Amino acid sequence: DIQMTQSPSFLSASVGDRVTINCKASQNINKYLNWYQQKLGEAPKRLIYNTNNLQTGIPSRFSGSGSGTDYTLTISSLQPEDFATYFCLQHNSFPNTFGAGTKLELK
Amino acid sequence: QVQLKESGPGLVQPSQTLSLTCTVSGFSLTSNSVHWVRQPPGKGLEWVGAIWSGGSTDYNSALKSRLSISRDTSKSQVFLKMNSLQTEDTAIYFCTRGTSYWGQGTLVTVSS
Repeated sequence: DIQMTQSPSFLSASVGDRVTINCKASQNINKYLNWYQQKLGEAPKRLIYNTNNLQTGIPSRFSGSGSGTDYTLTISSLQPEDFATYFCLQHNSFPNTFGAGTKLELK
Repeated sequence: QVQLKESGPGLVQPSQTLSLTCTVSGFSLTSNSVHWVRQPPGKGLEWVGAIWSGGSTDYNSALKSRLSISRDTSKSQVFLKMNSLQTEDTAIYFCTRGTSYWGQGTLVTVSS
């Protein structure tokens, strides 16, 4: 199985900050990497699919980049509603595997 | 719009069988795959298995011997059955449409 190493596990930031979250795959995943936002008690929401494609309805302050084994989610200017947990998913090789998650907290 | 909703017993005794239902709306099971994913308390996400649009299934190799996924397309429902439950199967169980939409999840606690 492909291992996904996500960092950091916790991130403390302020409204307006630019933040980045990283996922590193144990092998090339050919850009088949999605990013999700998860809030307590809610369904996880897909933000980005296949590295850099913004899901319909997601604000443009969210963006994704990467290739090969290294991928990044960037939030350009944090808004109050962005404080949540974020995780990545690779779906290049079966079985799908996930990053461990990043909890984004208000500083 | 696309919706998925998991339902199940909440509490299951050790060694018993878990039965969960995922009821979907806004899309067809014959055109989309539905996956099950679980998240133990305080831990990461684990892919459990999937039923594909054609009805074939794939399972996590670690769970395969205990797991069955099926569906009723007329009712827009997907079913997960897992037997011989242990405490380490305690988790929130999610169903998802492919890698896009997720349900809210249902907490399953394995305890006597």
